[in-house]
Amino acid sequence: EDKVVQSPLSLVVHEGDTVTLNCSYEVTNFRSLLWYKQEKKAPTFLFMLTSSGIEKKSGRLSSILDKKELFSILNITATQTGDSAVYLCAVEVGGNEKLTFGTGTRLTIIP
Amino acid sequence: DAGVTQSPTHLIKTRGQQVTLRCSPKSGHDTVSWYQQALGQGPQFIFQYYEEEERQRGNFPDRFSGHQFPNYSSELNVNALLLGDSALYLCASSFGTRLNEQFFGPGTRLTVL
Repeated sequence: EDKVVQSPLSLVVHEGDTVTLNCSYEVTNFRSLLWYKQEKKAPTFLFMLTSSGIEKKSGRLSSILDKKELFSILNITATQTGDSAVYLCAVEVGGNEKLTFGTGTRLTIIP
Repeated sequence: DAGVTQSPTHLIKTRGQQVTLRCSPKSGHDTVSWYQQALGQGPQFIFQYYEEEERQRGNFPDRFSGHQFPNYSSELNVNALLLGDSALYLCASSFGTRLNEQFFGPGTRLTVL
């Protein structure tokens, strides 16, 4: 059975800190790994990673994939209160055309 | 462009009842996927519709069924509701299998009493 595990489950930091969120996976026929931000209801797309070692970056957010060790990290630098959300990691399995999500990491930024 | 819309926003039902949730995909999208997100959990894939047919299905019982209409909108039906069906139901649309371009709707919060 495909599995996606995120850690930590929750994280509380002060504004300006840097955080690293982790996602490990065990799936057959890996195709891609996606990160989403969920503030209230609808998850919004952040990154899609398919190749090892290539960092994707968007502003203060960045992510990288290690296909040998089967994990990805999401980094957020100089955190702001608007970064408070649940961050979801999902894996796309080839041939299934569906996403398997992790439980998510709840990030809280204290002003 | 209204994006993905879902109705209703909230719904309260009692055990044993039936419910229908609705989803309109983003303009230009032809594929609709449904997810169940229990409190404190990540979304779980229910099924996916393309060309009015169920293309993929997750590990959900037959009580969960769906439909896609010619205009690509979709319905999720749940029969014989259980307390454990209480969750946020998310609809996501995409063009074909471009999951990195999958847009999620705001969801329907279903409470079963």
